[in-house]
Amino acid sequence: EIVMTQSPATLSVSPGERATLSCRASQSVGSNLAWYQQKPGQAPRLLIYGASTRATGVPARFSGSGSGTEFTLTISSLQSEDFAVYYCQQYNNWPLFGPGTKVDIK
Amino acid sequence: EVQLVQSGAEVKKPGESLKISCKGSGYSSTSYWIAWVRQMPGKGLEWMGIIYPGDSDTRYSPSFQGQVTISADKSINTAYLQWSSLKASDTAMYYCARLKGYCSSISCYHLYFDYWGQGTLVTVSS
Repeated sequence: EIVMTQSPATLSVSPGERATLSCRASQSVGSNLAWYQQKPGQAPRLLIYGASTRATGVPARFSGSGSGTEFTLTISSLQSEDFAVYYCQQYNNWPLFGPGTKVDIK
Repeated sequence: EVQLVQSGAEVKKPGESLKISCKGSGYSSTSYWIAWVRQMPGKGLEWMGIIYPGDSDTRYSPSFQGQVTISADKSINTAYLQWSSLKASDTAMYYCARLKGYCSSISCYHLYFDYWGQGTLVTVSS
């Protein structure tokens, strides 16, 4: 059974700074990994699929990388609207979400 | 424009039944699977099950098998999630989401969620 972990649990960042979020799978999922953003009181939104492909309408400041068991979501210059919880999800097997990383204002 | 519009918030008592809905538009109901995802208060995301409205083929997460029933009406591009006897532990936000990926008769592959409904808050309290 695959286990997804995300680190850190909370990331405090100043607006304009770079944020780097990590997601790890307990076994290889290839490039079958997606990232979602969830703002308070809102539904999740797909940001990245295939580990590195931005979904429609997602700003270029969001980028995904990695394969196998180690993945990274990078937000190059945090905007006020980017403060949210970010979830990774593997889809090499039945869908499984990570526990999330909360990005808050430093 | 793809949209998934869910039914409104519900407040129920333990033991009551409930059926919530998710209506899709902007795409064909016979081209995509729809998932239901639970988010308990302050917690993460768990997929509950998926349905193909075209023929109502349904697959459940083992964690939710027997606990809920998923159905669909392809003529109105609507999926449903229902409980026959609610418990306090069913209190959560429930999202529907459109799936990318595909399923064979044996299993499903490469399922991720590209569009989400706005969520339906279900509160179960005596």
